[in-house]
Amino acid sequence: DIRMTQSPSSVSASVGDRVSITCRASQDISTWLAWYQQKPGKAPKLLIYGAFILYDGVPSRFSGSGSGTDFTLTISSLQPEDFATYYCQQAISFPRTFGQGTKLEIK
Amino acid sequence: QFTLKESGPTLVKPTQTLTLTCTFSGFSLTTSGVGVAWIRQPPGKTLEWLALIYWNDDKRYSPSLKSRLTVTKDTSKSQVVLVMTNMDPVDTATYYCAHTLDYGDPSFDSWGQGTLVTVSS
Repeated sequence: DIRMTQSPSSVSASVGDRVSITCRASQDISTWLAWYQQKPGKAPKLLIYGAFILYDGVPSRFSGSGSGTDFTLTISSLQPEDFATYYCQQAISFPRTFGQGTKLEIK
Repeated sequence: QFTLKESGPTLVKPTQTLTLTCTFSGFSLTTSGVGVAWIRQPPGKTLEWLALIYWNDDKRYSPSLKSRLTVTKDTSKSQVVLVMTNMDPVDTATYYCAHTLDYGDPSFDSWGQGTLVTVSS
């Protein structure tokens, strides 16, 4: 199985801040990486796929980068609705695997 | 616009069999490339992929749970069914179904609302 490791596990930030979350795969996954946002009691929502392709309707303040084993999700200017937990997921092989999550909290 | 909804028991006893149904609309499992996955999330923990069935009846399972899982589809009802045997309290989780593809973008682009299943005697 491909292990996905996110850092940090949690981060505190303020509205307007720029925040980056990293995800590392245990082996080369090219750009077969997705990012999801999950709010308490809700299902995850797809933000980015193919490592950097913004899903329909996702605000442009979200961006993704990276390839191979190292990836980054960046939120350029935090909005109140962005405080949530974020997960990365590899889509190159089975079993599909997720990172442990990064909780983005209000400072 | 894809919509999916999970249904099934909210409480099962240890050793019992869990049967969950995902009813979907906005797409068809007769369309080339389309798939439906099952993913679960124990309270306070991360997401765990369980199984996936494609339009052509190709099925994939989590190796750690493969012996306990069966996924089937009923295209006439737009439903996918997950069966998990020998339930244990550690299987307590919210279970989601999600739409995916086997080409292009294989991420999970639409999810059901999830259903919380508690395993307890």
